[in-house]
Amino acid sequence: AIQLTQSPSSLSASVGDRVTITCRASQGISSALAWYQQKPGKAPKLLIYDVSTLESGVPSRFSGSGSGTDFTLTITSLQPEDFATYYCQQFNSYLFSFGQGTKLEIK
Amino acid sequence: EVQLLESGGGLVQPGGSLRISCAASGFTFSSNAMNWVRQAPGKGLEWVSSISGNSGGTYYADSVQGRFTISRDKSKNTLYLQMNSLRVEDTAVYYCARNWGTFDIWGQGTMVTVSS
Repeated sequence: AIQLTQSPSSLSASVGDRVTITCRASQGISSALAWYQQKPGKAPKLLIYDVSTLESGVPSRFSGSGSGTDFTLTITSLQPEDFATYYCQQFNSYLFSFGQGTKLEIK
Repeated sequence: EVQLLESGGGLVQPGGSLRISCAASGFTFSSNAMNWVRQAPGKGLEWVSSISGNSGGTYYADSVQGRFTISRDKSKNTLYLQMNSLRVEDTAVYYCARNWGTFDIWGQGTMVTVSS
């Protein structure tokens, strides 16, 4: 099974900051990568799929990039509602998997 | 409105069985792949199982292979997860989610607790 490793596991930042979360796959996954946001007590929300395609309704301050085994999620100009946990997920094979999550906290 | 609504969670003893359901509305259920994803208390997301849209092919994580069975009733627009030989480590919120690969719509989740 393909393993996904996110870094950092947690991150403190301030409103207005630019943050980057990385996701590394144990083997190449082409462009089969998605990013989700989850707030406490809520279901995850799809943000980005196919590495860099923004889901409808997601603000343009979110962006994704990468290829092969290394991927990034970038949030420019953090807003109060962006403080949450973020997960990457691969769907290159039918044995889907998630990263362990990155908790983004207010500094 | 596109919606998924899980039900059927609860408390079950180790070794027991439980079937949870996910009622779909607002989209063509029969042609969409569907999935189960779980989250243990305080932990991350874990993909559990998927069923493809038209062919009905089924797929399972190694951790549940041979114990869990995913199925769907297209006449009722409902997805199921039959869970047998439950273990303490199966305790989690179980979410259903739509689509193959990229999970675009999620339910609110149903809690399954395995404890004696």
